[in-house]
Amino acid sequence: SQTIHQWPATLVQPVGSPLSLECTVEGTSNPNLYWYRQAAGRGLQLLFYSVGIGQISSEVPQNLSASRPQDRQFILSSKKLLLSDSGFYLCAWEGQGVFYGYTFGSGTRLTVV
Amino acid sequence: GQSLEQPSEVTAVEGAIVQINCTYQTSGFYGLSWYQQHDGGAPTFLSYNALDGLEETGRFSSFLSRSDSYGYLLLQELQMKDSASYFCASQLDAGNMLTFGGGTRLMVKP
Repeated sequence: SQTIHQWPATLVQPVGSPLSLECTVEGTSNPNLYWYRQAAGRGLQLLFYSVGIGQISSEVPQNLSASRPQDRQFILSSKKLLLSDSGFYLCAWEGQGVFYGYTFGSGTRLTVV
Repeated sequence: GQSLEQPSEVTAVEGAIVQINCTYQTSGFYGLSWYQQHDGGAPTFLSYNALDGLEETGRFSSFLSRSDSYGYLLLQELQMKDSASYFCASQLDAGNMLTFGGGTRLMVKP
């Protein structure tokens, strides 16, 4: 069966520090991968998506970046965090072809102080 | 652009039926899906409609009317554990990226 792992679960980082969040998927190949951010009590905002290794599309211009170094690994990064980067970051995957909905990771709650 | 509107809060009693509406304005609309999210947790997929009509999955059903740009999620025989936020999300025909609504917080009371 397919599983998605996301870590860390919580993170407190000072303003100006770097960020690296990792997401890996098991039990499938060539998944579509997504990074979303959710502010408290709000909906989900699409940040990046990837349809293959090295293929990254950005939906929102900001100081975040994403990379996909391996087929089932998706990384969200920042060189210098801002206060406004605080939020709940969610990685999701779905298979190629017929759409059956996203499967989300357990999320990372980031607080920038 | 894309936008989805849903009520911010709905309250219902245990055992009742509740309907959560979602209206959308999207170009290139392909389908509508629904997700449940408990406090502090990740969203989980509930249902998906690409065609007009009703899709039933146990106590949950979802409906889509493409001509009205409207859909709803119907929850029957409400249980306390159904207290959560529910999000509708539109899918574009150009790919599988989803745009999410702001969410509806459902409170189930005894």
